[in-house]
Amino acid sequence: DAGVIQSPRHEVTEMGQEVTLRCKPISGHNSLFWYRQTMMRGLELLIYFNNNVPIDDSGMPEDRFSAKMPNASFSTLKIQPSEPRDSAVYFCASSLWAEETQYFGPGTRLLVL
Amino acid sequence: RKEVEQDPGPFNVPEGATVAFNCTYSNSASQSFFWYRQDCRKEPKLLMSVYSSGNEDGRFTAQLNRASQYISLLIRDSKLSDSATYLCAVSTTSGTYKYIFGTGTRLKV
Repeated sequence: DAGVIQSPRHEVTEMGQEVTLRCKPISGHNSLFWYRQTMMRGLELLIYFNNNVPIDDSGMPEDRFSAKMPNASFSTLKIQPSEPRDSAVYFCASSLWAEETQYFGPGTRLLVL
Repeated sequence: RKEVEQDPGPFNVPEGATVAFNCTYSNSASQSFFWYRQDCRKEPKLLMSVYSSGNEDGRFTAQLNRASQYISLLIRDSKLSDSATYLCAVSTTSGTYKYIFGTGTRLKV
C-alpha cells in the first residue's frame, strides 16, 4: 500500500513568495495532521483534520499560514508570504482516527531565502 | 514547562549496551503514549505504543508510570542500526484532542 505522499520533497523560494505544500493521506484514514520540525522547536503540530474538517488550528503560527482539505485524499498547507523563519521540514501524517497511530509522509524541506 | 519533555542527549553507547530513555508529560489526563523512531533526514515512524501494563517487542521494552507521569524506553543489546532519534508522543482527549511530541533523544551506538 502507498504511504502518505507529500510534494514537493524540496522547495527553495525567496522571501515574500507563496509556498504550497501538498499531501495525500493513506486511503481510508480519517485524520490528517500537518507538522513543522526544526532543530530548535522539534516537531510541532500545526493543524489537524477529522473527516476533512479542521478541528484544531491553534498551532498555526500566524495568518500567513492556511490549510485546506477539500476531500479525503488531498490537503494543502499554504504560506503566503513566506519568510526565512518558515524554513523547516513540514510533515504530513494520517491516521485511521485521531487517537490512533500516525503515519508520516517523507516531508517537504522548505528553505526560504 | 513543556507538556512533553525528553533529554535531548546524545546518548553514546557501545554495541551490546543497554540504554534507557525517559519522557515526562505534564497533563495527568493524557491517555495514549507512543515511541517513534526518526532516522536522520527521514520521517518519524512508530516504534511501539506504550500500554499501562508495559510491553516488549524483541530488544525494546516500553513502560508507563502514571503516578510519576513518565514513559520509558529500554533498548537491550544495542546495535549500530539502533542509532537514531527517539521521539515520545502523548495524546490527550479532554475537550479537544491533542497529540504532542517530545523533542527527541538522540542515540549513537
